[in-house]
Amino acid sequence: DAKTTQPPSMDCAEGRAANLPCNHSTISGNEYVYWYRQIHSQGPQYIIHGLKNNETNEMASLIITEDRKSSTLILPHATLRDTAVYYCIVSLRGGGSSNTGKLIFGQGTTLQVKP
Amino acid sequence: DGGITQSPKYLFRKEGQNVTLSCEQNLNHDAMYWYRQDPGQGLRLIYYSQIVNDFQKGDIAEGYSVSREKKESFPLTVTSAQKNPTAFYLCASSRGAYEKLFFGSGTQLSVL
Repeated sequence: DAKTTQPPSMDCAEGRAANLPCNHSTISGNEYVYWYRQIHSQGPQYIIHGLKNNETNEMASLIITEDRKSSTLILPHATLRDTAVYYCIVSLRGGGSSNTGKLIFGQGTTLQVKP
Repeated sequence: DGGITQSPKYLFRKEGQNVTLSCEQNLNHDAMYWYRQDPGQGLRLIYYSQIVNDFQKGDIAEGYSVSREKKESFPLTVTSAQKNPTAFYLCASSRGAYEKLFFGSGTQLSVL
């Protein structure tokens, strides 16, 4: 599985958009980008995933560059409850002989939303 | 409500003792996972199972054992061979391998 690089920490003002970057320069053509977040002492929560098109759901938007070597998670109107560690992961999706079911989490980005 | 239940929330282990962490899901998911998280660190994969009666070692399986006798259950045993067991343990499940993960609320294991 490809590795990802994220900044260790970021701050964002409440009500503003939070833009969290992720580099995945070794991503292969059949690997998806997943984002999860973890609020202190809880289990991580799925946010969004995508392959090459931009994606949006009720929680966030995911922008993937055309060369797929990086992506940005956007929280359009950050609230204090969005303070968490955000993990960017790249992995295969679906079946296949090389599918080991193994997902690798890095250290993520700690987002601090400030009033 | 469907979800993943981990128990207990806090667990204490004495020297030389084996302890078992419970993980149950009612999401009808095929795949289940165990991760370990140390303070300020990301998640590291201990074991994973894509189907009943089958499981594979993750990156840090030494000192741990698992079983997958039922689809809904994936207990993790921390054996006495695990010399540094103090950590936050997270169980997860997914509909299939590489599908999005659903996590339990975790078990904090400490050594007395």
